[in-house]
Amino acid sequence: GAGVSQSPRYKVAKRGQDVALRCDPISGHVSLFWYQQALGQGPEFLTYFQNEAQLDKSGLPSDRFFAERPEGSVSTLKIQRTQQEDSAVYLCASSPVVLSHSNQPQHFGDGTRLSIL
Amino acid sequence: SQELEQSPQSLIVQEGKNLTINCTSSKTLYGLYWYKQKYGEGLIFLMMLQKGGEEKSHEKITAKLDEKKQQSSLHITASQPSHAGIYLCGADKGYGQNFVFGPGTRLSVLP
Repeated sequence: GAGVSQSPRYKVAKRGQDVALRCDPISGHVSLFWYQQALGQGPEFLTYFQNEAQLDKSGLPSDRFFAERPEGSVSTLKIQRTQQEDSAVYLCASSPVVLSHSNQPQHFGDGTRLSIL
Repeated sequence: SQELEQSPQSLIVQEGKNLTINCTSSKTLYGLYWYKQKYGEGLIFLMMLQKGGEEKSHEKITAKLDEKKQQSSLHITASQPSHAGIYLCGADKGYGQNFVFGPGTRLSVLP
């Protein structure tokens, strides 16, 4: 399809395991965002890429969280030594423009629901 | 912590009724976005407002941004079950790529 694709849709892991979440943005989109959405809350910003450059990672909650976008297209969010508080939906969004403040909205994937046991 | 507040937190209306959802910021917003989310799915873009006093409509949904660009409302006319979902406002902070969302308003429309 032409939209943002995230995989897996669901991930269950035991506490302490490492997980990797994948995002395929819309082809040609320059900007890519990762968000964390806890149950009953709005999405919280994690990190932002402009092409392959990670320009803002201020929202990553700890050094266990790592994101990359090596070729400026597909992005991976990795969480090491997972904790129960990492359980959430992780949303990826992309935009065709460089900066978020423009007249172009972000296009969201359906998210990965992560459950840590 | 959320920098945008939304009210009400949840809303149950009878089909055919009108309703309004509000989004408030303590700071002037560069751009205000409204999204809709269904359970287990991503966010669907509805509308974006940038200018103070701006108003936009799409089908039965109207969004407004006040003159000070600190408050926005989303109004649904003659609600239908298909309008049910979580409505989220989001905003550019205006000085970087960080983007914030409100906590959402959960709307249920009873047939």
